[in-house]
Amino acid sequence: GAVVSQHPSWVICKSGTSVKIECRSLDFQATTMFWYRQFPKQSLMLMATSNEGSKATYEQGVEKDKFLINHASLTLSTLTVTSAHPEDSSFYICSARGSSLNSPLHFGNGTRLTVT
Amino acid sequence: GENVEQHPSTLSVQEGDSAVIKCTYSDSASNYFPWYKQELGKGPQLIIDIRSNVGEKKDQRIAVTLNKTAKHFSLHITETQPEDSAVYFCAARESGGGADGLTFGKGTHLIIQP
Repeated sequence: GAVVSQHPSWVICKSGTSVKIECRSLDFQATTMFWYRQFPKQSLMLMATSNEGSKATYEQGVEKDKFLINHASLTLSTLTVTSAHPEDSSFYICSARGSSLNSPLHFGNGTRLTVT
Repeated sequence: GENVEQHPSTLSVQEGDSAVIKCTYSDSASNYFPWYKQELGKGPQLIIDIRSNVGEKKDQRIAVTLNKTAKHFSLHITETQPEDSAVYFCAARESGGGADGLTFGKGTHLIIQP
């Protein structure tokens, strides 16, 4: 079945540094990828929609200059958390969908970010 | 936009019994309803989905029912096993509504008691 690979699975960084998270679709071309944030025992919160070859669309309240998204190819999207602060510590999850709007959404295994 | 309500937030059942999780949605234009299972420290895994042109779909011990008129859909797990313990999320999406992602319910923590 469809596989979405997310890397790294966990990362610890110091406050003020930047962290890049990669999301890859391994066996299908993902024209659209999504980035979510999940706090403990809560649901997934959509942060942004990433379309290959164009600028990402951010949800209300999500700072686009802080959460940089690049979708340079049909199999790779990256999320960079810039100038990270402790409040950015969270579980970040990407998902990918094929070219059809009716394609199922498949998720990566998430990245646990801890900012010290 | 879409709003998805999910109940209960926690469900504890004896191993072998059935579990039912219910969701309602607000946008009548939504026509795709997946269910995801999330284990601790992992991303959600699609376990079953249903589109609005059918009322029920079954895959072994898992089934989903959809009532478009009432705008609610349910997940049914029969003969529950310890490995079914996880957090389950329902979601809804309006097909053809651009590249929007899914709207998720708040999740149900399913606990299978041995």
